[in-house]
Amino acid sequence: EADIYQTPRYLVIGTGKKITLECSQTMGHDKMYWYQQDPGMELHLIHYSYGVNSTEKGDLSSESTVSRIRTEHFPLTLESARPSHTSQYLCASSTRGGDEKLFFGSGTQLSVL
Amino acid sequence: DAKTTQPPSMDCAEGRAANLPCNHSTISGNEYVYWYRQIHSQGPQYIIHGLKNNETNEMASLIITEDRKSSTLILPHATLRDTAVYYCIVRVRGRETSGSRLTFGEGTQLTVNP
Repeated sequence: EADIYQTPRYLVIGTGKKITLECSQTMGHDKMYWYQQDPGMELHLIHYSYGVNSTEKGDLSSESTVSRIRTEHFPLTLESARPSHTSQYLCASSTRGGDEKLFFGSGTQLSVL
Repeated sequence: DAKTTQPPSMDCAEGRAANLPCNHSTISGNEYVYWYRQIHSQGPQYIIHGLKNNETNEMASLIITEDRKSSTLILPHATLRDTAVYYCIVRVRGRETSGSRLTFGEGTQLTVNP
């Protein structure tokens, strides 16, 4: 059973607010990822990390930022939320070594009014 | 990484086998075939992966053709809880530098009917 947690599960917030989506995993995985997915659409990789103090942009450009200060924690921040940021954000992790068995969290559904 | 082609949707009767096809005609020798599924509003779940031999685990079986240009995911006894979008992904295992950019594509929406 995967142990990767995302909070909050749902977030409704006004335009201009700063938000942080939390993602934590207890599996000791080095690699972590953030994907963005609109309803009925494909998942798009927006950020990833190979380990502490390592962060990279993904395939889809995003105004969000991430940090990786601890192995188990990979938060995503939006400094000023806009309605265009409304989407589902999915966090995932995997072991180092190229094994592509990703473990996903339950996601955060963000709605910006 | 090689591109995959899957039918957009399929239906299956509960209790019957669900056979989900995937074409990957440009696959290269060191690329693996991975399958994930995503149940509505949840994060994707890993199912199985393989290189050239058929694979089986507690969830499903993966049949890869001899020329490796296509594969089939088999759910032997589909249940209503297997209703989900199924993604076939081709990926070079161990490619650290490209950041595990698993491209999920549109997948196949499998609907299991009672």
